[in-house]
Amino acid sequence: EVQLVESGGGLVQPGASLKLSCVASGFTFSDYWMSWVRQTPGKTMEWIGDIKYDGSYTNYAPSLKNRFTISRDNAKSTLYLQMSNVRSEDTATYYCTITTTDWGQGVMVTVSS
Amino acid sequence: DIQMTQSPSSLPASLGDRVTITCRASQDIGNYLRWFQQKPGKSPRLMIYGATNLAAGVPSRFSGSRSGSDYSLTISSLESEDMADYYCLQSKESPLTFGSGTKLEIK
Repeated sequence: EVQLVESGGGLVQPGASLKLSCVASGFTFSDYWMSWVRQTPGKTMEWIGDIKYDGSYTNYAPSLKNRFTISRDNAKSTLYLQMSNVRSEDTATYYCTITTTDWGQGVMVTVSS
Repeated sequence: DIQMTQSPSSLPASLGDRVTITCRASQDIGNYLRWFQQKPGKSPRLMIYGATNLAAGVPSRFSGSRSGSDYSLTISSLESEDMADYYCLQSKESPLTFGSGTKLEIK
């Protein structure tokens, strides 16, 4: 059974950095592109970006490219999302996905002072 | 970016009704269209991929279709467990973009 478990969320101050993790199991992690998607409290869904199975290529939503970085560690079957200079509009639930086919349970990030 | 215009935003319906949700793409996306169901407090669930293909485990009362740049999700006979939010997603090109969602609720 595919499992994607996100962690690392919480309350963070504006301007700070945060790194989310997603531990994968139940499939061969190194064979799959992975992606991050977020959902705002108002339920708007936004694709953040994705990463190639070997980590050699990443692709981002243009509006987030300068602040968000996706990476992976295939030895640990773990996907990461590094968020920098966070803003209130980054408040959302962040989902790890296998290119939107399978989804984790999500992790909440709240940006507030 | 490709814009996905989803309608309606809210759809009151009765059990047993046939309901249809539509997304219109602002440019050609071929059949690179997915539909998701999301229940309260849960993650999205893939229902339809490739515009018309049922994902694994999805009941046959769900179907997807395409007419030009309009993509539809149809539930042939609404059941109580279908009450949820539904989203479309185009995966033709980056950045992938979602529709704004449809809340399917009991009339």
